[in-house]
Amino acid sequence: DQQVKQNSPSLSVQEGRISILNCDYTNSMFDYFLWYKKYPAEGPTFLISISSIKDKNEDGRFTVFLNKSAKHLSLHIVPSQPGDSAVYFCAASGSSNTGKLIFGQGTTLQVKP
Amino acid sequence: EAQVTQNPRYLITVTGKKLTVTCSQNMNHEYMSWYRQDPGLGLRQIYYSMNVEVTDKGDVPEGYKVSRKEKRNFPLILESPSPNQTSLYFCASSLFPSGLGSYNEQFFGPGTRLTVL
Repeated sequence: DQQVKQNSPSLSVQEGRISILNCDYTNSMFDYFLWYKKYPAEGPTFLISISSIKDKNEDGRFTVFLNKSAKHLSLHIVPSQPGDSAVYFCAASGSSNTGKLIFGQGTTLQVKP
Repeated sequence: EAQVTQNPRYLITVTGKKLTVTCSQNMNHEYMSWYRQDPGLGLRQIYYSMNVEVTDKGDVPEGYKVSRKEKRNFPLILESPSPNQTSLYFCASSLFPSGLGSYNEQFFGPGTRLTVL
């Protein structure tokens, strides 16, 4: 049972435009949500997080929005750059004290010059 | 440089031949974890360790063993690998485990691509 879902396997946008990556979850016990970015042949690296008590968190070109009632979060990248091309994983934390992150399937973003 | 290292990075082996994937972190982190990444499934936790000599099962522990004799090292052991363990494996660590009401950033190693024939 996939508790965190990223329904779009891939996304292609033009450089300078906005990229919107979406994520849905089912477990209302999650209290932190994160986005990780992964380049080929590298491990995932932390990008941005949001606590469940907030609905928005911004860090430079990256903004994460959380809609708890809809159990939905999104990552906005503005403006998109070719170096943003990577696989983006949505993850959730806090349903237990095991330290486990529950990951979505990932979305491959391609930013075209 | 603060990092998580894994070895080997690539491994092709045959069914039943025991293997160990090493993981080491130099950040004095208490929490370490192993994940496997498979197409369409994201990353799933195999085992985790809260501290030295404290390990427990994640979501997909079958066919794997771990040990945590030193704080910095957390090897993943496949006693009798099978083809369904062909996957991309990631080791991760954080200062403390994330839990209810708190989050600690997890740092990931570069991954080990394992193929079991």
